[in-house]
Order: sequence, then structure tokens, then C-alpha cells
Amino acid sequence: EVQLVETGGGLIQPGGSLRLSCAASGFTVSSNYMSWVRQAPGKGLEWVSVIYSGGSTYYADSVKGRFTISRDNSKNTLYLQMNSLRAEDTAVYYCARAPLWSKNYYDYWGQGTLVTVSS
Amino acid sequence: QSALTQPASVSGSPGQSITISCTGTSSDVGGYNYVSWYQQHPGKAPKLMIYDVSNRPSGVSNRFSGSKSGNTASLTISGLQAEDEADYYCSSYTSSSTPAYVFGTGTKVTVL
Repeated sequence: EVQLVETGGGLIQPGGSLRLSCAASGFTVSSNYMSWVRQAPGKGLEWVSVIYSGGSTYYADSVKGRFTISRDNSKNTLYLQMNSLRAEDTAVYYCARAPLWSKNYYDYWGQGTLVTVSS
Repeated sequence: QSALTQPASVSGSPGQSITISCTGTSSDVGGYNYVSWYQQHPGKAPKLMIYDVSNRPSGVSNRFSGSKSGNTASLTISGLQAEDEADYYCSSYTSSSTPAYVFGTGTKVTVL
């Protein structure tokens, strides 16, 4: 059974750093395209970042230069390193998996972890 | 990376059919058959309901169907049930950004 479990969220001051983790089971993280998607309180979904199976990474303009997506194949875990955090980064962060045969949709999502950026 | 446009809310009575629209451009919805739809209940993660315009994942009720015409995709829920009350988001491949993924603005479905 495929499962994604995010951890690492919390309250952080503006300018601070936080690392989110997404532990995967039931499949191999390095085989699929894996993304982070966030949702600000009361708002819609916003795509944040993706790491391709080959290792290429891409970011939304709103986080480029501040966030870094990575994975640890030995731990089958996806990460999102978030630096220089701003109030507008406050959101629930979901990790999501694209199926092996497509990069155009997400078939499994984690339960999300809340990041609150506030002084 | 402009969001796809959805109506803010749609409502219907139990048993009725409703349709949610998702309007984009020829660079996304109109140009590719890669539209997907997600259902999200309050406090829960999104759930895939439709992929590649009209395909249903295993386990999703056949009351949910998807279609596309030009730059507008649609999600139809037939035989509306109380459990269908949720937020719905479309998404699409887009050639206007890298990488190529954009969500819709979201639609709140209310079962009267």
C-alpha cells in the first residue's frame, strides 16, 4: 500500500529555516516524479517544487532560490529545505506522487504538515 | 503560472447533476489532454478523481465524469450525494512554464 507521511512543520519566525520530510512506503521515491504542493489557510492549491526520477529539480517562482527539494534513496524519503521563510509561506505542505507512466497528475498525497511563519 | 479559472461555488440537491468548469488557454487545457481533477474535504488531503480529461482511477465512483471542449474542461457529478460536498480543483499540463503544472482556483460544491 502506498503511503506518504509528512513531518517537520511548525511555527518559525520570518527569515528562519525549516526542513520538511516525506517518508514514503509501498513504492520507491527515486522511481517517480515527486512534488511538494502547498495550501495557504483558506486558499487553493499551489504547486511548489518537483524532483524528477532522473534527479532534475524545478521550483515555483515564489520559492526559487529559497527552497530546495531533495531525496534520500536509502531512507526512501523526500525533503523540502525551506530558507528565508516569509509570512506568505504559511501553509499546509503536501508531498505528492506522480505515477510511473505520467508526470501530469498526482495519484497519492500525504496528509500534509502545517508551516506557520510568524513572529 | 496563472491559475486556471473555476467558479467559486456550485450547488445542487441530492440526486441532481452538477458541472464544474475549468477554463484555461491553448497553452494548457486547450492544448493537451492532461486535465485532472481533485476532491478535497475540509482538513483532508486532495484525492485524485479524474486524470487525462476523462479517466477515473480505480475506486472512484462512476458518478464522476470529465470532459473537455476547447479551452474549458468540465467535471460532472451525477446523482449528487451528501458526501460529495467538498472543494474541487482542476489541474493541467501547461507549456507556458517549467515544469508544466498548474492548478485551478477551486470550486466549493454544496449539497443543499
